[in-house]
Amino acid sequence: GAVVSQHPSRVICKSGTSVKIECRSLDFQATTMFWYRQFPKQSLMLMATSNEGSKATYEQGVEKDKFLINHASLTLSTLTVTSAHPEDSSFYICSALGELADNEQFFGPGTRLTVL
Amino acid sequence: GESVGLHLPTLSVQEGDNSIINCAYSNSASDYFIWYKQESGKGPQFIIDIRSNMDKRQGQRVTVLLNKTVKHLSLQIAATQPGDSAVYFCAENMSQAGTALIFGKGTTLSVSS
Repeated sequence: GAVVSQHPSRVICKSGTSVKIECRSLDFQATTMFWYRQFPKQSLMLMATSNEGSKATYEQGVEKDKFLINHASLTLSTLTVTSAHPEDSSFYICSALGELADNEQFFGPGTRLTVL
Repeated sequence: GESVGLHLPTLSVQEGDNSIINCAYSNSASDYFIWYKQESGKGPQFIIDIRSNMDKRQGQRVTVLLNKTVKHLSLQIAATQPGDSAVYFCAENMSQAGTALIFGKGTTLSVSS
């Protein structure tokens, strides 16, 4: 099956710094990737839709200047949390839309971000 | 939209019992539904999916039932095992649009041996 990786798996940073999270489709090309955020004991909430070669589409309430998304290639999307604060601490998960027309999405293993 | 109602935040069963996890979806235009299993600290793991032209689909030890009339989805796990302990989410979307999945609130399944 299709594999999606994320790097890093967990990161701890100081308040005010920026953190970049990578999402890669390892054995298929993904024109569309999605970024989700999950707080403890809650569900996955969609943050943005990332399309290769174009600007990301952000969900209501998600600041595009704070969560920078770049989808520069068909196998890589990055999410940069700028000027991170403790309330940004969360589990960030990406998914990639498969190449087939069946709409199947493949999820990465997630990145645990802790902002001190 | 976010799934509401008709779900239990936690479900505790004995090993060997059958488990039923429920979910209500909100968008009547959704035509693709998936159940995911999520273990602590990991990403969602695909279990089974169903499209709106079906009302039942079976996999290995799992069955998904779809009732479009009341917008209800259920996951049945036969002979539940301790390894099934996890949080289970239903998700929906409109497949033709290639849109992101909308996740329900999740049910924590605890299996005791």
